[in-house]
Amino acid sequence: DAKTTQPPSMDCAEGRAANLPCNHSTISGNEYVYWYRQIHSQGPQYIIHGLKNNETNEMASLIITEDRKSSTLILPHATLRDTAVYYCIGWVYGGSQGNLIFGKGTKLSVKP
Amino acid sequence: DTAVSQTPKYLVTQMGNDKSIKCEQNLGHDTMYWYKQDSKKFLKIMFSYNNKELIINETVPNRFSPKSPDKAHLNLHINSLELGDSAVYFCASSLRESGELFFGEGSRLTVL
Repeated sequence: DAKTTQPPSMDCAEGRAANLPCNHSTISGNEYVYWYRQIHSQGPQYIIHGLKNNETNEMASLIITEDRKSSTLILPHATLRDTAVYYCIGWVYGGSQGNLIFGKGTKLSVKP
Repeated sequence: DTAVSQTPKYLVTQMGNDKSIKCEQNLGHDTMYWYKQDSKKFLKIMFSYNNKELIINETVPNRFSPKSPDKAHLNLHINSLELGDSAVYFCASSLRESGELFFGEGSRLTVL
Protein backbone atom coordinates (compact mmCIF):
# COMPACT_ATOMS: atom_id res chain seq x y z
CA ASP A 1 0.00 0.00 0.00
CA ALA A 2 1.19 3.53 -0.78
CA LYS A 3 2.84 5.56 1.91
CA THR A 4 0.99 8.83 2.33
CA THR A 5 2.36 12.14 3.59
CA GLN A 6 0.21 14.83 5.18
CA PRO A 7 1.00 18.07 7.00
CA PRO A 8 0.74 17.52 10.76
CA SER A 9 -1.63 20.41 11.33
CA MET A 10 -3.69 23.09 9.60
CA ASP A 11 -5.98 25.92 10.62
CA CYS A 12 -9.09 27.07 8.82
CA ALA A 13 -11.54 29.89 9.49
CA GLU A 14 -15.12 28.89 10.08
CA GLY A 15 -17.20 29.15 6.91
CA ARG A 16 -14.18 29.00 4.63
CA ALA A 17 -13.10 26.05 2.55
CA ALA A 18 -10.61 23.69 4.16
CA ASN A 19 -8.17 22.15 1.68
CA LEU A 20 -6.24 19.22 3.09
CA PRO A 21 -3.38 17.94 0.94
CA CYS A 22 -1.97 14.44 0.74
CA ASN A 23 1.04 13.13 -1.15
CA HIS A 24 1.01 9.50 -2.29
CA SER A 25 3.73 9.36 -4.92
CA THR A 26 4.13 5.57 -4.70
CA ILE A 27 0.46 4.79 -5.21
CA SER A 28 -0.18 1.82 -7.51
CA GLY A 29 -2.61 1.86 -10.40
CA ASN A 30 -5.39 -0.04 -8.66
CA GLU A 31 -4.97 1.61 -5.27
CA TYR A 32 -7.74 3.84 -4.00
CA VAL A 33 -7.28 6.99 -1.94
CA TYR A 34 -9.49 6.93 1.14
CA TRP A 35 -10.10 9.75 3.57
CA TYR A 36 -11.24 9.32 7.15
CA ARG A 37 -11.48 11.67 10.06
CA GLN A 38 -11.48 11.23 13.80
CA ILE A 39 -13.22 13.78 15.93
CA HIS A 40 -11.89 13.89 19.47
CA SER A 41 -12.74 10.77 21.48
CA GLN A 42 -14.88 9.29 18.71
CA GLY A 43 -14.33 6.41 16.31
CA PRO A 44 -12.86 7.21 12.88
CA GLN A 45 -15.43 8.19 10.28
CA TYR A 46 -15.28 7.48 6.56
CA ILE A 47 -15.46 10.61 4.42
CA ILE A 48 -14.82 9.80 0.78
CA HIS A 49 -12.66 7.77 -1.57
CA GLY A 50 -11.55 7.85 -5.19
CA LEU A 51 -9.38 6.12 -7.75
CA LYS A 52 -8.75 8.47 -10.67
CA ASN A 53 -11.69 10.82 -11.02
CA ASN A 54 -12.62 13.63 -8.70
CA GLU A 55 -15.38 12.70 -6.31
CA THR A 56 -17.97 14.63 -4.33
CA ASN A 57 -20.45 13.63 -1.70
CA GLU A 58 -22.46 15.39 0.97
CA MET A 59 -19.44 15.70 3.23
CA ALA A 60 -16.56 16.69 0.97
CA SER A 61 -14.89 16.74 -2.42
CA LEU A 62 -11.81 14.80 -3.39
CA ILE A 63 -9.50 16.13 -6.08
CA ILE A 64 -6.92 13.65 -7.39
CA THR A 65 -4.13 14.89 -9.65
CA GLU A 66 -3.87 13.38 -13.11
CA ASP A 67 -0.67 11.52 -12.22
CA ARG A 68 -2.37 10.32 -9.00
CA LYS A 69 0.63 11.26 -6.91
CA SER A 70 -1.33 13.62 -4.72
CA SER A 71 -4.85 14.53 -3.74
CA THR A 72 -6.74 17.22 -1.85
CA LEU A 73 -9.73 16.81 0.39
CA ILE A 74 -11.98 19.85 0.32
CA LEU A 75 -14.49 20.71 3.01
CA PRO A 76 -16.36 23.51 1.22
CA HIS A 77 -17.68 25.39 4.25
CA ALA A 78 -15.84 24.30 7.35
CA THR A 79 -17.65 24.43 10.67
CA LEU A 80 -16.34 24.11 14.20
CA ARG A 81 -17.59 20.52 14.19
CA ASP A 82 -15.13 19.71 11.40
CA THR A 83 -12.24 20.10 13.84
CA ALA A 84 -10.66 16.64 13.77
CA VAL A 85 -7.67 14.59 12.63
CA TYR A 86 -7.96 13.77 8.94
CA TYR A 87 -6.33 10.66 7.53
CA CYS A 88 -5.43 10.00 3.91
CA ILE A 89 -4.97 6.28 3.26
CA GLY A 90 -4.06 4.20 0.24
CA TRP A 91 -6.10 1.01 -0.02
CA VAL A 92 -6.35 -1.82 -2.47
CA TYR A 93 -8.46 -4.92 -2.18
CA GLY A 94 -6.10 -7.75 -1.28
CA GLY A 95 -3.29 -5.35 -0.32
CA SER A 96 -2.15 -5.67 3.30
CA GLN A 97 -4.93 -8.25 3.46
CA GLY A 98 -7.44 -5.46 2.96
CA ASN A 99 -6.18 -3.65 6.00
CA LEU A 100 -6.53 0.13 6.36
CA ILE A 101 -3.23 1.52 7.64
CA PHE A 102 -3.64 4.81 9.45
CA GLY A 103 -0.75 7.29 9.51
CA LYS A 104 -0.43 10.37 11.67
CA GLY A 105 -2.96 12.42 9.71
CA THR A 106 -3.54 16.18 9.68
CA LYS A 107 -5.01 17.85 12.71
CA LEU A 108 -7.45 20.43 11.33
CA SER A 109 -8.50 23.21 13.68
CA VAL A 110 -11.48 25.25 12.53
CA LYS A 111 -11.50 28.60 14.27
CA PRO A 112 -14.38 31.05 14.73
CA ASP B 1 -29.88 1.78 16.09
CA THR B 2 -26.11 2.04 16.47
CA ALA B 3 -24.40 0.40 13.49
CA VAL B 4 -21.30 -0.83 15.36
CA SER B 5 -21.66 -1.02 19.10
CA GLN B 6 -19.01 -1.85 21.67
CA THR B 7 -19.35 -2.63 25.34
CA PRO B 8 -18.17 -1.55 27.77
CA LYS B 9 -17.30 2.01 26.82
CA TYR B 10 -14.99 2.35 29.81
CA LEU B 11 -13.10 -0.36 31.65
CA VAL B 12 -10.78 0.16 34.61
CA THR B 13 -9.04 -2.89 36.00
CA GLN B 14 -5.97 -4.12 37.81
CA MET B 15 -2.86 -5.64 36.29
CA GLY B 16 -3.09 -9.38 35.90
CA ASN B 17 -6.85 -9.48 35.45
CA ASP B 18 -8.68 -10.91 32.44
CA LYS B 19 -11.25 -8.80 30.63
CA SER B 20 -13.40 -8.87 27.51
CA ILE B 21 -14.74 -6.23 25.16
CA LYS B 22 -17.74 -7.06 23.03
CA CYS B 23 -18.56 -5.77 19.57
CA GLU B 24 -21.67 -6.16 17.47
CA GLN B 25 -22.58 -4.79 14.05
CA ASN B 26 -26.03 -4.69 12.46
CA LEU B 27 -24.90 -3.64 8.98
CA GLY B 28 -24.79 -7.09 7.45
CA HIS B 29 -21.04 -6.81 6.88
CA ASP B 30 -18.88 -9.90 6.50
CA THR B 31 -15.64 -8.50 7.91
CA MET B 32 -14.87 -7.16 11.37
CA TYR B 33 -11.76 -5.62 12.87
CA TRP B 34 -10.13 -4.61 16.12
CA TYR B 35 -7.91 -1.53 16.19
CA LYS B 36 -5.87 -0.19 19.10
CA GLN B 37 -5.23 3.51 19.66
CA ASP B 38 -2.52 4.22 22.17
CA SER B 39 -1.77 7.38 24.13
CA LYS B 40 0.14 8.82 21.17
CA LYS B 41 -3.06 8.47 19.12
CA PHE B 42 -1.68 5.97 16.61
CA LEU B 43 -4.38 3.67 15.27
CA LYS B 44 -3.09 0.15 14.64
CA ILE B 45 -4.89 -2.89 13.28
CA MET B 46 -4.85 -5.86 15.62
CA PHE B 47 -7.15 -8.43 14.07
CA SER B 48 -9.44 -8.87 11.12
CA TYR B 49 -12.09 -11.54 10.69
CA ASN B 50 -13.99 -12.42 7.54
CA ASN B 51 -17.04 -14.65 7.90
CA LYS B 52 -15.82 -15.75 11.32
CA GLU B 53 -12.35 -16.64 10.05
CA LEU B 54 -9.18 -14.85 11.07
CA ILE B 55 -7.52 -13.10 8.12
CA ILE B 56 -5.19 -10.64 9.86
CA ASN B 57 -3.31 -11.16 13.06
CA GLU B 58 -0.76 -8.42 13.44
CA THR B 59 2.05 -8.66 15.96
CA VAL B 60 -0.15 -8.84 18.98
CA PRO B 61 0.69 -10.74 22.17
CA ASN B 62 -1.14 -14.02 22.42
CA ARG B 63 -2.74 -12.70 25.60
CA PHE B 64 -5.17 -11.09 23.17
CA SER B 65 -7.65 -13.56 21.74
CA PRO B 66 -10.45 -12.50 19.42
CA LYS B 67 -13.58 -14.63 19.21
CA SER B 68 -16.16 -14.42 16.47
CA PRO B 69 -19.26 -16.48 17.31
CA ASP B 70 -20.97 -15.25 14.14
CA LYS B 71 -20.53 -12.66 11.39
CA ALA B 72 -22.17 -9.94 13.44
CA HIS B 73 -19.98 -10.27 16.53
CA LEU B 74 -16.26 -10.00 17.22
CA ASN B 75 -15.25 -10.02 20.86
CA LEU B 76 -11.81 -9.30 22.26
CA HIS B 77 -10.59 -11.18 25.30
CA ILE B 78 -7.42 -10.08 27.04
CA ASN B 79 -5.62 -12.25 29.59
CA SER B 80 -3.15 -11.13 32.26
CA LEU B 81 -3.59 -7.44 31.59
CA GLU B 82 -0.48 -5.25 31.63
CA LEU B 83 -0.04 -1.50 32.06
CA GLY B 84 0.86 -1.19 28.36
CA ASP B 85 -2.53 -2.54 27.38
CA SER B 86 -4.10 0.74 28.45
CA ALA B 87 -5.55 2.23 25.26
CA VAL B 88 -8.74 2.84 23.37
CA TYR B 89 -9.88 -0.21 21.43
CA PHE B 90 -12.02 0.31 18.35
CA CYS B 91 -14.12 -2.28 16.64
CA ALA B 92 -15.02 -1.80 12.98
CA SER B 93 -16.83 -3.62 10.21
CA SER B 94 -16.97 -3.56 6.43
CA LEU B 95 -17.68 -5.61 3.38
CA ARG B 96 -14.60 -7.64 2.46
CA GLU B 97 -14.10 -5.90 -0.87
CA SER B 98 -14.47 -2.37 0.50
CA GLY B 99 -12.16 0.05 2.27
CA GLU B 100 -15.14 1.80 3.83
CA LEU B 101 -15.04 0.80 7.47
CA PHE B 102 -17.65 1.66 10.05
CA PHE B 103 -16.14 2.15 13.49
CA GLY B 104 -17.63 1.84 16.91
CA GLU B 105 -17.25 4.55 19.53
CA GLY B 106 -14.35 2.84 21.22
CA SER B 107 -13.71 1.15 24.55
CA ARG B 108 -11.24 2.91 26.82
CA LEU B 109 -9.27 0.39 28.83
CA THR B 110 -7.24 1.58 31.81
CA VAL B 111 -4.98 -0.89 33.57
CA LEU B 112 -3.80 0.15 37.03
